[in-house]
Amino acid sequence: EAQLVESGGGLVQPGGSLRLSCADSGFTFSNYWMGWVRQAPGEGLEWVANIKEDGSVEYYADSVRGRFTISRDNAKNSLYLLMNNPRVEDTAVYYCARSSGWRDRFDCWGQGTLVTVSS
Amino acid sequence: DIQMTQSPSTLSTSVGDRVTITCRASRSISTWLAWYQQKPGKAPGLLIYKASSLESGVPSRFSGSGSGTEFTLTISGLQPDDSATYYCQQYETYPLTFGGGTKVEI
Repeated sequence: EAQLVESGGGLVQPGGSLRLSCADSGFTFSNYWMGWVRQAPGEGLEWVANIKEDGSVEYYADSVRGRFTISRDNAKNSLYLLMNNPRVEDTAVYYCARSSGWRDRFDCWGQGTLVTVSS
Repeated sequence: DIQMTQSPSTLSTSVGDRVTITCRASRSISTWLAWYQQKPGKAPGLLIYKASSLESGVPSRFSGSGSGTEFTLTISGLQPDDSATYYCQQYETYPLTFGGGTKVEI
């Protein structure tokens, strides 16, 4: 059974830096596009970023472009989200998710990791 | 960006009811639409993709329909376990966008 487990969340100051990680098991990680989706407290879902199977193509939401970087290490079956210069409004649960294709639904989700941006 | 609008935002229902949730796109997305179910404190789970295809393992009381700009998620014979928030998502183009959610209360 496919499984995704996020880590790295916590408290970060505005303007600081934080790296989220996501480890997979139960499927061939390198065969899938992957993405990050976030959910602010009490709010709906917001797509953040997607990355191609080989890491050569990335897409970002306007709200994070230029500040966040998605990356992956297929040798380690791991996905990352580097959050630079986070803002208070980036406070959310961040979910790692497997995409069924380059522009597609998310068919497997991690349990989420909470990021709180506050001074 | 394609805006996704769900209605209603909240639905109060009873066990056994037939429930319909609507999702409208700001422009045509063909059938590039997915539906998710999210329970409190949990990650979302995929229910429907390509507007009407049922994800493996999802009960057959869930069904989806629509194309273009208007879509519906129907739950036939509501069960207590269906109490959750439901989201639609378009994947016709980037940025991928979600509807605001519909909370189903039983």
